[in-house]
Amino acid sequence: QVQLQESGPGLVKPSQTLSLTCSVSGGSISTDGYYWNWIRQHPGKGLEWIGYITSSGSTFYNPSLKSRLIISLGTSENYFSLRLSSVTAADTAVYYCARDGRPIDWYFDLWGRGTLVSVSS
Amino acid sequence: QSALTQPRSVSGSPGQSVTISCTGTSSDVGGFNYVSWYQQYPGEVPKLIIFDVSQRPSGVPHRFSASKSWKTASLTISGLQADDEADYYCCSYVGRDMWMFGGGTKLTV
Repeated sequence: QVQLQESGPGLVKPSQTLSLTCSVSGGSISTDGYYWNWIRQHPGKGLEWIGYITSSGSTFYNPSLKSRLIISLGTSENYFSLRLSSVTAADTAVYYCARDGRPIDWYFDLWGRGTLVSVSS
Repeated sequence: QSALTQPRSVSGSPGQSVTISCTGTSSDVGGFNYVSWYQQYPGEVPKLIIFDVSQRPSGVPHRFSASKSWKTASLTISGLQADDEADYYCCSYVGRDMWMFGGGTKLTV
């Protein structure tokens, strides 16, 4: 079955760029027609939707992060990426990738296991 | 509005029922029937337990039910069991291609 797996550095220095990858196995980003999302969870806090990318490369970002955020598709492999620039301690969180199946399935049915990113010098 | 409003915590005894509310506005919860609920154990991944306001994915016990009235969605867990103790998050499509989550509710059994 389809699985998602986040990867990337667990520690990023303030003002630098946080880069994460979500690898999709058991399915194809380019043909499955899903929306591929990033969601984060600050330590001990709730969930925050970050943004999505579609199989055709269309993106939409949370307005609160839009100025610092880029979500992109992998060039030749089955993955998509997140880049968040000018990070601060407030960006410390567990980052999840997740898919939603709109316009039919308006919910997140598949999640990666999440990866903790700490922003600290 | 940065998050849908949920009670920070609720509690109940085994066998009892509890209801968790999720309040938004007419532009989000009140505007779409795309409310979902997620159960999350400490250190684990959120798990979908309700979608489209009141639908249960296969495998989710009938003890979990949900509804919506105008701008407030509600999740009810009946016949509480010890392993229902977890955090619960609501989520709503809010239009303009965006999603919003609730702040989460810790259920203590």
